[in-house]
Amino acid sequence: ETGVTQTPRHLVMGMTNKKSLKCEQHLGHNAMYWYKQSAKKPLELMFVYNFKEQTENNSVPSRFSPECPNSSHLFLHLHTLQPEDSALYLCASSQDREETQYFGPGTRLLVL
Amino acid sequence: AQTVTQSQPEMSVQEAETVTLSCTYDTSESDYYLFWYKQPPSRQMILVIRQEAYKQQNATENRFSVNFQKAAKSFSLKISDSQLGDAAMYFCAYRSWNNDMRFGAGTRLTVKP
Repeated sequence: ETGVTQTPRHLVMGMTNKKSLKCEQHLGHNAMYWYKQSAKKPLELMFVYNFKEQTENNSVPSRFSPECPNSSHLFLHLHTLQPEDSALYLCASSQDREETQYFGPGTRLLVL
Repeated sequence: AQTVTQSQPEMSVQEAETVTLSCTYDTSESDYYLFWYKQPPSRQMILVIRQEAYKQQNATENRFSVNFQKAAKSFSLKISDSQLGDAAMYFCAYRSWNNDMRFGAGTRLTVKP
């Protein structure tokens, strides 16, 4: 499945590091999403972008900073994270907000 | 806020048999969408099936079908003729009229050869 790609697939970082997660979709979609998936918890929607504009921020701490330079690319900039931020971060895209979301493979993040 | 409950953390099925995964949700809305997603060990979340709440007919996709009971707010997934490749985490999801998406905690399905 190459419709939605995410890099890196695995990331280990210290609490003082700055890193970025990248998501790219090749489906011509207009909406993109960041989700956090922690063990034994439902997926948590973090951010939504529709036509490059952020339309939702579900009370996410400021140490997570999204960026959407165009409809095909979405970034999640990380700085001064906490160990509890360790999780699988999933990117998704959809044609419009009303349409079905398609997911990337995720980035497994470990914060030490 | 809408909630989605999957009461079965783990399920097991024999290859070629049928298994049903449960999902219930809480909502006051009349128009919404329901989804089942599959997340294999590779972790790519894949859409399995989708149901529009205004449609009374249950959605079907090959070996996958749903039993949508709107009044009971129940949306179970039936997998027929289970295959080894069906082993995965299955997530039930609800999308409201304002496109807010909620996921259940997931059910881990094991398929025994």
